[in-house]
Amino acid sequence: AQSVSQHNHHVILSEAASLELGCNYSYGGTVNLFWYVQYPGQHLQLLLKYFSGDPLVKGIKGFEAEFIKSKFSFNLRKPSVQWSDTAEYFCAVTNNAGNMLTFGGGTRLMVKP
Amino acid sequence: EPEVTQTPSHQVTQMGQEVILRCVPISNHLYFYWYRQILGQKVEFLVSFYNNEISEKSEIFDDQFSVERPDGSNFTLKIRSTKLEDSAMYFCASSSLGQGRNTEAFFGQGTRLTVV
Repeated sequence: AQSVSQHNHHVILSEAASLELGCNYSYGGTVNLFWYVQYPGQHLQLLLKYFSGDPLVKGIKGFEAEFIKSKFSFNLRKPSVQWSDTAEYFCAVTNNAGNMLTFGGGTRLMVKP
Repeated sequence: EPEVTQTPSHQVTQMGQEVILRCVPISNHLYFYWYRQILGQKVEFLVSFYNNEISEKSEIFDDQFSVERPDGSNFTLKIRSTKLEDSAMYFCASSSLGQGRNTEAFFGQGTRLTVV
């Protein structure tokens, strides 16, 4: 069975700081990878996704993620965070055979103004 | 932008009662899902639904749970006899294709179910 680990549960940053949130998955086959964000009181929104091709994926709001197959990782990055990035971030994976997303535990990011 | 809508946003029910959580998926989507998140825990897959039948379900989705698409727009999750441990945020999602076919799921805002 596939699983996803997010090692940072809570992250606090000041505005303009750089962000990197870790995500590791365990599954030996082909995977599709996602980062979702949930702003306070809102629904899960897709930040970015990786299906194939260039392992460096650019998403909305200046976020990017890099798929490193050898490390089973899909870390999320943003060079300069803003107060409005305060939210919970979820890494998720699905494989080509399945019809379900497996989520990591989420990382709660707080950006101080 | 089209979105998935869920009602109610918060449901409080007594243990043993039946609850129905409602979702309106995006209109041209064909695959529908329910996930849940118990407070402080991971978002967990419950069930996927396609062509008027369950296509995949998790171990959590036991006989107490059922899903239905009663008309062309709604997608419901029924819990027959709620337990305290059913208290969670329940998310509905939909996608145009199956998740394994390079597509993304769109999520609703969730229904917070509290069983007392």
